[in-house]
Amino acid sequence: QVQLVESGGGVVQPGRSLRLSCAASGFTFRSYGMNWVRQAPGKGLEWVAIIWYDGSNKYYVDSVKGRFTISRDNSKNTLYLQMNSLRAEDTAVYYCARVIGHLGEWYFDLWGRGNLVTVSS
Amino acid sequence: QSVLTQPPSVSGAPGQRVTISCTGSSSNIGAGYDVHWYQQLPGTAPKLLIYANSNRPSGVPDRFSGSKSGTSASLAITGLQAEDEADYYCQSYDSSLSGPLFGGGTKLTVL
Repeated sequence: QVQLVESGGGVVQPGRSLRLSCAASGFTFRSYGMNWVRQAPGKGLEWVAIIWYDGSNKYYVDSVKGRFTISRDNSKNTLYLQMNSLRAEDTAVYYCARVIGHLGEWYFDLWGRGNLVTVSS
Repeated sequence: QSVLTQPPSVSGAPGQRVTISCTGSSSNIGAGYDVHWYQQLPGTAPKLLIYANSNRPSGVPDRFSGSKSGTSASLAITGLQAEDEADYYCQSYDSSLSGPLFGGGTKLTVL
């Protein structure tokens, strides 16, 4: 069926790195933009990063620029988020979500179940 | 500052109508960008509820409706049901952020 499944989360010390993966199935992954959205414990949703269907363009929220890298492997139907120099404030459930629409119209019609990343010493 | 402002909470009795507002600025809703709404049931991932201001995805009951005017948007829920108890988020695009922007979320309590 049509779904997104995240993996790779866990507990990591401040300053260390972690890579999240999001496996897509049931749809033509290479035809869609994809993004990551996070939710800190008890808080609201925060957009993190977005990548074009072909990987040609990427955008990030200011708080992760230079530390996080979004990428994709269309041959493996997988989205990634490489997170470096992690901080306590990066602690959150990370969702991958499928993007619909053009620049300025983006919305997210399919979401994964989320993966918890905890940054703590 | 790039912010979409929602009331922290709203409530209503079963069968009633409630509305949730989402107030933006000239860099997002006021610039003409579409507003989308998501429902997040407790312990689950968000689900698309309304897209492009007033459109419902397949499977979303017509009790849910959206509208947009000027720098604000609203989500209306009629015939309130117990299963509607959830957090609701608006989302738009912000030209200052150069990316999507979510509202702070509104917790709906069905009395």
